Amino acid sequence: DIVMTQFPDSLAVSLGERATINCKASQSVLSTSNNKNFLAWYQQKPGQPPKLLIFWASTRESGVPDRFSGSGSETDFTLTINNLQAEDVALYYCQQYYSTLQYSFGQGTKLEIK
Amino acid sequence: EVQLMESGGGLVQPGGSLRLSCAASGFTFNTYWMHWVRQAPGKGLVWVSRISSDGSSTTYADSVKGRFTTSRDNAENTLYLQMNSLRGEDTAVYYCTRGRYCTSGSCFSNDWFDPWGQGTLVTVSS
Repeated sequence: DIVMTQFPDSLAVSLGERATINCKASQSVLSTSNNKNFLAWYQQKPGQPPKLLIFWASTRESGVPDRFSGSGSETDFTLTINNLQAEDVALYYCQQYYSTLQYSFGQGTKLEIK
Repeated sequence: EVQLMESGGGLVQPGGSLRLSCAASGFTFNTYWMHWVRQAPGKGLVWVSRISSDGSSTTYADSVKGRFTTSRDNAENTLYLQMNSLRGEDTAVYYCTRGRYCTSGSCFSNDWFDPWGQGTLVTVSS
């Protein structure tokens, strides 16, 4: 099974600053068939279901502000939120969909305003 | 508008059973894999199961294998999760969510989860 580990578990960032969340996979999620990383990022606000932010590690979902960006490859990935806004306070999860027998999420990172 | 709406959650005793439903609308239901994901109170997201677009193939997390069964009725645009032998650790909000798209016998690898339903709470307690 592919284990996804996020760090930090929580972080506090000032409004207008940059937040960086990391995600590490226990094995590569880069497909040699299409040269894409099978990695997604989700945002979950209190009392709401998760919302897809990014897929293929770096492709922003339609409607997601461009201050959200994803990067990385194989086992190491990063979600960056530039110009942090108050509405960005949430839990953030990475997820691998490389293994279709056992999908897996990171444990989540809680983002707060400093 | 693409929508998913879960129902069927509630309080059940350990060892009991419960059947969850997920009504889909706004998209061609029979062309997508579907998934169940759960979230225990105050905890993270855990994938539970998935079913292929035609219902012929299912996969489960080890923690529910042999106890949970996922099925679908493509004529009714509905996804199901039959949960048996329930345990306290099954207490969670259960979400249904859409996965990869399939057409003409082929499936794309777009297996991220989008959209998600609002979830239904299952509480296993005596």
